[in-house]
Amino acid sequence: EAGVAQSPRYKIIEKRQSVAFWCNPISGHATLYWYQQILGQGPKLLIQFQNNGVVDDSQLPKDRFSAERLKGVDSTLKIQPAKLEDSAVYLCASSLKAGVNTEAFFGQGTRLTVV
Amino acid sequence: GEDVEQSLFLSVREGDSSVINCTYTDSSSTYLYWYKQEPGAGLQLLTYIFSNMDMKQDQRLTVLLNKKDKHLSLRIADTQTGDSAIYFCAEDTGGFKTIFGAGTRLFVKA
Repeated sequence: EAGVAQSPRYKIIEKRQSVAFWCNPISGHATLYWYQQILGQGPKLLIQFQNNGVVDDSQLPKDRFSAERLKGVDSTLKIQPAKLEDSAVYLCASSLKAGVNTEAFFGQGTRLTVV
Repeated sequence: GEDVEQSLFLSVREGDSSVINCTYTDSSSTYLYWYKQEPGAGLQLLTYIFSNMDMKQDQRLTVLLNKKDKHLSLRIADTQTGDSAIYFCAEDTGGFKTIFGAGTRLFVKA
């Protein structure tokens, strides 16, 4: 079974530039998550999709972050404009369905460095 | 508020047992999880425990839950060098939200 695919693996940009990350979840997984993991911290949920609808985006900084999952499969996360404090690993995860005790499978992440 | 706390580092010798501790704040948590993260990789679910259980054993892993003290622990028996990683405790706070701790970095000395 193919895992969660993310690209790029690494990205370095200057502050105030824009950046986009891509995620392809496991086939058939209805729920997709984007997490931000700052160095030395645990992952923090940014946004959760159920199919192509947003379930929770309460911790997404909407003035600069946006995410979409138009066809209920792949998803993109965009930052515009980036700040130094956005430097982190952005993890995508997917699960078969939403709800507690549903195992989420994580991608390897995209490491973003903002200079 | 919701918070999950863990110690940052643990060092053990190969063959010894490792015990990683975690405290959480949300008494309504239904499931508590342990995830493992190796360098450059995503998180891998190791095990989980339902909040009405006290203990769960899965091969070398033993999870103990003290709901009164909101304390969760993960014991790894016969720790191997391949167990070196960061271990994250996480709780489901209700709804679909999972809160992660900052992670405990386990060093296994040969």
